[in-house]
Amino acid sequence: GENVEQHPSTLSVQEGDSAVIKCTYSDSASNYFPWYKQELGKGPQLIIDIRSNVGEKKDQRIAVTLNKTAKHFSLHITETQPEDSAVYFCAASNGGANNLFFGTGTRLTVIP
Amino acid sequence: DSGVTQTPKHLITATGQRVTLRCSPRSGDLSVYWYQQSLDQGLQFLIQYYNGEERAKGNILERFSAQQFPDLHSELNLSSLELGDSALYFCASSVGGGGAGETQYFGPGTRLLVL
Repeated sequence: GENVEQHPSTLSVQEGDSAVIKCTYSDSASNYFPWYKQELGKGPQLIIDIRSNVGEKKDQRIAVTLNKTAKHFSLHITETQPEDSAVYFCAASNGGANNLFFGTGTRLTVIP
Repeated sequence: DSGVTQTPKHLITATGQRVTLRCSPRSGDLSVYWYQQSLDQGLQFLIQYYNGEERAKGNILERFSAQQFPDLHSELNLSSLELGDSALYFCASSVGGGGAGETQYFGPGTRLLVL
């Protein structure tokens, strides 16, 4: 089955700086890569996703890049704000089944 | 607010007992997914139902079972509970059967504590 690895496990940045979280996946059939943000006591919330037919997607301060050859994808958050502090999860799934395989999470702390 | 609702929010029970977790998907969504989140295993897919039928199965224990009813709400039944079953259980929903990488929307979860 699919195996998703995520790094780093914790990340602290100063407010206004950028944050980058990286994930690798093992199944070359995977073609959908969402990123979720989980705040304390809440369920994961989708913040951005990318499908394998594109290499990059951007939504305001958040962007995701995908390298299918290397089987890795990354989340980029620019101009970080204290409210960006949360745990971020990457995930992967293939077209045959939509069940998501999650990375182990990155706890992002934005220091005011 | 994702539109997915889960009850109860918290559940405390004893080993050997049986509990039922309930999920209502977003209006119009036909698929329901169940995930378990624990400190040592992370977020793991358990099972998916699509329009009342089981669609995909993950690392779901035989002691666990689920179903989706005609009104599309779903229940996850956990029996012969063990200490290690203590975790957050999330339900997610998507529009269709999930074949094309559909977006999944997660509920707020049920926190289960087995004593």
